[in-house]
Amino acid sequence: DAKTTQPPSMDCAEGRAANLPCNHSTISGNEYVYWYRQIHSQGPQYIIHGLKNNETNEMASLIITEDRKSSTLILPHATLRDTAVYYCIVRVETGGFKTIFGAGTRLFVKA
Amino acid sequence: NAGVTQTPKFRVLKTGQSMTLLCAQDMNHEYMYWYRQDPGMGLRLIHYSVGEGTTAKGEVPDGYNVSRLKKQNFLLGLESAAPSQTSVYFCASSYSEPAGTPDTQYFGPGTRLTVL
Repeated sequence: DAKTTQPPSMDCAEGRAANLPCNHSTISGNEYVYWYRQIHSQGPQYIIHGLKNNETNEMASLIITEDRKSSTLILPHATLRDTAVYYCIVRVETGGFKTIFGAGTRLFVKA
Repeated sequence: NAGVTQTPKFRVLKTGQSMTLLCAQDMNHEYMYWYRQDPGMGLRLIHYSVGEGTTAKGEVPDGYNVSRLKKQNFLLGLESAAPSQTSVYFCASSYSEPAGTPDTQYFGPGTRLTVL
C-alpha cells in the first residue's frame, strides 16, 4: 500500500476552515484515500474517503487532485472539538487489515 | 446500537501474568481487528479476523493470541505479559461487501494496559 506524508502539526482558528494536506505520490489506481481522526485517548473515528472525485459529507470535504498524488481534508468551520490527530490513509478497496496508520497531523483549533 | 465495545477499560498486570481482552460488536460485521498504540505513535495491527473461526497475523503478532469463536466477539490473549506490552489496545470491526466497495473500520474506546 502507498505511503502518505502529512505535516506533523497545524493550527487553526475556531470558526475558520481547516485544510489538512496529504501527499500520496505512489498511490495506485485501485487505492482509495481514507481519513480518520483520533480525539485524545479515544478510538479513531472514520471521517471520509474517496477514489477520484471530490467527496463531501456532514463532517468534512475531501479534495483529491486530478493526478491523485495528493489530497486535502477540509473541515469547513472548525470547532474546539475538532482538535485531534488526523490520519490520511491510502489502501485498496477491501480489507481493513491493510490500513496503515502513520503519525498523522495533530490539529490544534484555537479560540 | 452499542457499536464496538471493549472490556476491560483499564488493567494493570505483573510481568508473567495472563489476561484476555474482549471485543464485541453488534453491527454484524465480518471483519474484526486488534491494534496497539504506544505513546505518540500510530496504531499497529496485531491480529485480525475476516470471519467467524478465522484469524490472521498482523504487523506485530508476537506475544499475543486471538480467537473468533462467535461472529460478534474477538478475543485478544496475553499468555505471559511483558512490560513491552504496556500500551493502549483498540479493537475495530468492518463489514465485507462485494468487490469494488471499500470497507470502513469502526473502533472501540480502547483498553489501557500497564504491565509492571
